[in-house]
Amino acid sequence: QVTLTESGPALVKPTQTLTLTCTFTGFSLSTRGMCVSWIRQPPGKALEWLARIDWDDEIYYSTSLKTRLTVSKDTSKNQVVLTMTTMDPLDTATYYCARISTGDLTGFYMDVWGKGTTVTVSS
Amino acid sequence: EIVMTQSPATLSVSPGERATLSCRASQSVSTNLAWYQQKPGQAPRLLIHSTSRRASGIPARFSGSGSGTEFTLTIDSLQSEDFAVYYCQQYNYWPGTFGQGTKVEIK
Repeated sequence: QVTLTESGPALVKPTQTLTLTCTFTGFSLSTRGMCVSWIRQPPGKALEWLARIDWDDEIYYSTSLKTRLTVSKDTSKNQVVLTMTTMDPLDTATYYCARISTGDLTGFYMDVWGKGTTVTVSS
Repeated sequence: EIVMTQSPATLSVSPGERATLSCRASQSVSTNLAWYQQKPGQAPRLLIHSTSRRASGIPARFSGSGSGTEFTLTIDSLQSEDFAVYYCQQYNYWPGTFGQGTKVEIK
């Protein structure tokens, strides 16, 4: 069974750095075709894809946020970490991690999602 | 960046009726299009990928069609558990972009 669980602080202050961890089970991020993505959703708004890290260490960032984002993986711990610098109240959102499993390297859609973690940015 | 536009924003449907949701891409995304369902307080759930392929465990009343820039999600005989927000997402180009969502509500 594939599961993903996000963890991190519920509240951060403006200008601080946010660090979120995605801990997953049921697959290995060293297996060809496996990827983990981060997606966020501000309250009452749509989804926004933030970043993706692939089995071969390729990393992709949102064009609008790439200067603030860093993603890394620890394959031995089955974890992916997202850091976002210079947090702003507009970054208040639910942050999700999700798996991509693309055997043919064409289907980069998220087939299993974590439940999400809500982050509020406020002083 | 590809812009995904969904219509309508809200769709009022009676249980048992058919719902038709539209999604338009600002340029061709081939058939690299997915649909997700999101209920209040829950994470999105994959319904359809590759435009028309149902994800594991998704009932046959959900179907997808289209290609290029125009896509449709059809839900036949709406059940109570189908009232939710539906998002389309293209993954033909990075970054994959989502539409703004269509809320399917009870009429």
